Amino acid sequence: GAVVSQHPSRVICKSGTSVKIECRSLDFQATTMFWYRQFPKQSLMLMATSNEGSKATYEQGVEKDKFLINHASLTLSTLTVTSAHPEDSSFYICSARRGSGGTDTQYFGPGTRLTVL
Amino acid sequence: LAKTTQPISMDSYEGQEVNITCSHNNIATNDYITWYQQFPSQGPRFIIQGYKTKVTNEVASLFIPADRKSSTLSLPRVSLSDTAVYYCLVGLYNNNDMRFGAGTRLTVKP
Repeated sequence: GAVVSQHPSRVICKSGTSVKIECRSLDFQATTMFWYRQFPKQSLMLMATSNEGSKATYEQGVEKDKFLINHASLTLSTLTVTSAHPEDSSFYICSARRGSGGTDTQYFGPGTRLTVL
Repeated sequence: LAKTTQPISMDSYEGQEVNITCSHNNIATNDYITWYQQFPSQGPRFIIQGYKTKVTNEVASLFIPADRKSSTLSLPRVSLSDTAVYYCLVGLYNNNDMRFGAGTRLTVKP
C-alpha cells in the first residue's frame, strides 16, 4: 500500500511558540492532502483540505491564520501551528489522496502528538 | 455529504466473525464506501472499499445491499489484535469530502 509519513511523531513545546508538522507521501504523488485533529476518545475532525499549488480550504471554525498549511509539492504538505496554546494540544493526522478519480483511496500518516505546556 | 451511523461499541471473542454495520441513508449515486481501522495513537489504516454488492480482500469483506443505504464490514475470525476503532466513510473523493463519523470501538476478548 501507499506510504505517508509525518514528522515529527511527537513534539512538546512552550506556549506561544510555533510548531511545524510535515506530511509526505513517500511512494506516490498526492494532488490533495488533508489535515485532521483528534482529541482523546474522539473521532478525527477534518481541519483543512490542501491541493498542491493552491490555498488550503479550511473547515468552519478552524482559524486559517493559526493553522497555516502549505502544499508546495505533490509529495509534501506542512501544517504550522502558530502561537500554540495548551488547548492546541492534540493528535494531528495528515492524509494524502493518490490520484483524482472517484475510487482513489486516502492514505493516512502515523500522526503527530503535540503537547503545549 | 452522506452522514453515517455506526454502533458506538461492540464486543467479540477471539475466533468469532464480527459484522459491523454502517447506515448511510442519503448516500449519493456516485459515492463510494470505505472502511478504516484505527489503533490508539496511530493514523487510520485502509481496510476495504466498495460501491455495490460484495467486495473481499485478504483481511475483510464488505457487503452492500442493492439500495446502498447501509454496508456491513465483516471481519472473519477476529483476534485480540483486531481491537480497534472502525470507521465507515461515504463520499465522492474528488469532492474532497472526507469527514469521519464517530466510529465503532471493537473490543475482542480472549
